Parts: sequence; C-alpha cells; structure tokens
Amino acid sequence: ETGVTQTPRHLVMGMTNKKSLKCEQHLGHNAMYWYKQSAKKPLELMFVYNFKEQTENNSVPSRFSPECPNSSHLFLHLHTLQPEDSALYLCASSQERLNTGELFFGEGSRLTVL
Amino acid sequence: QKEVEQNSGPLSVPEGAIASLNCTYSDRGSQSFFWYRQYSGKSPELIMSIYSNGDKEDGRFTAQLNKASQYVSLLIRDSQPSDSATYLCAVNMGVSDSWGKFQFGAGTQVVVTP
Repeated sequence: ETGVTQTPRHLVMGMTNKKSLKCEQHLGHNAMYWYKQSAKKPLELMFVYNFKEQTENNSVPSRFSPECPNSSHLFLHLHTLQPEDSALYLCASSQERLNTGELFFGEGSRLTVL
Repeated sequence: QKEVEQNSGPLSVPEGAIASLNCTYSDRGSQSFFWYRQYSGKSPELIMSIYSNGDKEDGRFTAQLNKASQYVSLLIRDSQPSDSATYLCAVNMGVSDSWGKFQFGAGTQVVVTP
C-alpha cells in the first residue's frame, strides 16, 4: 500500500441515504484534509485534521460530518445530501512544518446525488 | 477575500514550444507556493514547490516567484502532448493561525498540439 487511498471511487446516493467516504494514508503524515472539487471551480477546503484534532471547518454544512480516529484514517460521513453536493471529493495528507507543506492527494471519490 | 487567480484557458501550445502559466494571489502573508498538475479524471499531483523569490528549475519545469508583485508562474519548456492537463496554483500561508490553509486557483487548462 502506498500514498493516499480513497474508497469508494464512485458513489451514487439518494438524498435520504447515509453513506461514508474513507481515506487512508500510508505516508506517515500528521495532517489530513477533505477537499471538494466541482467543475470549473477551485478546490474547496472542507476540513483539516492535525494529529487527529480538527483544526479547520470551512463553514461546511452539517450534512457533511468528518471523523478522524487516528492520524492515518479519515472519514467523511454523508447524510441528507443535496444534488449540488455532487462533486469529486479529494482526501489529502501532508507533513506540516512551518512555511512548507506539500499536499499528497488520493484519487478521489466521485459522488453523485440524485 | 483571500484569492488565488489563474486564467482558465485553454492555453494552446505547439509541441516543443514553451508554455507559460501565471498565478496571482491576494494574501501578502503567503509563504509557500505550489504547482499541481491534474489530468482529466485524475487527482492533482505536485510538480513544483517554491518558497523564496526567484526561479526554481526542475527538468523542463521552471517556477518563478515574485512576492512583491504577488505572482507565481510556471514555465514548461519543450512542451509534450503528455503535458496536456490542468495546472493548479496553490498557496499556503504557513503561519500559525493559518496552518494547513492551502488556497487553490481554479486551474489553467493546457493543450499541447502535435
């Protein structure tokens, strides 16, 4: 296992469903992130975790609920989503040091909300 | 509003020519700067990082940073069809109160024509 892995790669769900996205990093990094990527828009930072502690919640609706049980795993729990939530959800990790910090991305989970 | 701006393109470049991509950012406190390449349907991958004013070369890629003018650029020399992708500019404040806050531009699409 190498890098950052995300499952599932594709997910279709109805507005009343509950599902979860999973991310695992094998790089020994101390920070993990969820980003949302919609067509023609910049990557939107959703959540940041440093040593399992959430350090950033970028005004994300409560229908998205993150969970970080340890520094290698990150989940995004989804419930009662809206069609506009359809996007590519990217997990990333980094070894954060002052003035540096390179993000390593997983392949993403393509979410479609019907 | 802290922003990272890029021309969306597409930037059409003949094979073998130089592709020049520009990025401006609004936050003067930004400390580290990155260029990511994203192929269609794939996740972003880091190709260059730069932290101080001037030029940084890595193979066919050269990143240029001018903090006074708040811009960072990427040059791709001897462009190849495999360079056809969307290039994302990313900026990280890198200070204690903005830790982990990477801001991304919407990306510039580059198309290298044979």
